[in-house]
This record gives sequence, C-alpha cells and structure tokens, in this order.
Amino acid sequence: KQEVTQIPAALSVPEGENLVLNCSFTDSAIYNLQWFRQDPGKGLTSLLLIQSSQREQTSGRLNASLDKSSGRSTLYIAASQPGDSATYLCAVRLSGGFKTIFGAGTRLFVKA
Amino acid sequence: DVKVTQSSRYLVKRTGEKVFLECVQDMDHENMFWYRQDPGLGLRLIYFSYDVKMKEKGDIPEGYSVSREKKERFSLILESASTNQTSMYLCASSPIWGGLNQPQHFGDGTRLSIL
Repeated sequence: KQEVTQIPAALSVPEGENLVLNCSFTDSAIYNLQWFRQDPGKGLTSLLLIQSSQREQTSGRLNASLDKSSGRSTLYIAASQPGDSATYLCAVRLSGGFKTIFGAGTRLFVKA
Repeated sequence: DVKVTQSSRYLVKRTGEKVFLECVQDMDHENMFWYRQDPGLGLRLIYFSYDVKMKEKGDIPEGYSVSREKKERFSLILESASTNQTSMYLCASSPIWGGLNQPQHFGDGTRLSIL
C-alpha cells in the first residue's frame, strides 16, 4: 500500500533563507508527483507536477526534484518570503489509474 | 483559469440529517473528485467520477454517496450525517485530455460540522 510521508511536519525560517521540504513514498510505481500549496481555510493550489520520467521541474523560485528509485522528492524554495507561509503537500498519482495519495503536509512559516 | 466552486464555505448540520455538498467546475473536465481532509491524516479520497453518471469508490466511501447528472456538477451526499463526518471537504477536477499528467484543480473547500 502506497504511503506518503512529509518531513518536517512544521518549519519556521527567517525571511530570505533557502529551504528544502521533503516527501517520501513507499512504492516507486507512480505516474507522477505533484506539489501543492494550501493557505489556511482554503483549497489546494497546484505548484509543480513532475512526471515519472522526469527528474525535476522549476517554476520561479520553486524547484522540485524526483528520485523515483529511492522514493523521494524535494521542494526547494529559494529566497523565502513571508508570503510563502502556507502548508505544502505532496501527492503521488498511482500508476494505472486516477488514484492520488497525499502526504499530511509541511506547515511553513517565514518570519519577516 | 480553471474555477472549481463549492457551494458553501461553512456548513453546520445535525446528526441524522441528509446533507448535500455541491461542486461545479467551469472547464469541461471529465474527472471530478471528492476528498475529506483531517488533521494529521492528509486528504483521503471518498469518490471520484470520470464521466457523467459514472462513479468509483475511493478509500473511504462508507456513509457517503455521489451524483453526477451533468458534466460540470458533482454532488457529495451524506445519507445520515454523523459526528465523525465533521471535516473539511474538498472537491477537485482534472481533464482527461493529456492523460494522467494533468494536475487536479481544487475548490476552496467546505468546512462541515455535524452537531
């Protein structure tokens, strides 16, 4: 059974710092991995999607990597800003269907 | 931009009531999903639909049913609400074109409290 784990559960950093959020999954038979952002009381906003054949994706200050064989993904945020404060979730789509398994998220707080 | 709209942001209902949560998307997506989100458990799939009148059970379908009479609308029904169904409910949609590598687009969620 696929399990998705995110470490740490919470993180507090000063503004301007570069940071890495981690996501691990137990079964490498995935179709893709997606990183989302969730603001308090809101839905999820898609940040990056990495297909299983890809190693990384970049969007602005965000870079996500995928190592399928080791069951790991990282989300790198450069030059963090207070506006980056949110919960970040990773999700893996299982091969062969529409089912997606979500991690519990990392709550990020960027201090001004 | 894709817009997924959930009819209520907050809802309070009583135990035993039949509860309807509505979700509408405006991008002609074939796939629609209902999740619930609980602290420490992440998102769990309740049901999904890949076409009108088609549905598949997710991981936690017990106590829920769904309806998809039109492509743009996907309804979640709590047949007889119970306190353990107090949660945040999230609807999502995605297109079938482009295969499975299309991101899901989420609504803002409905926070449901069952008293």
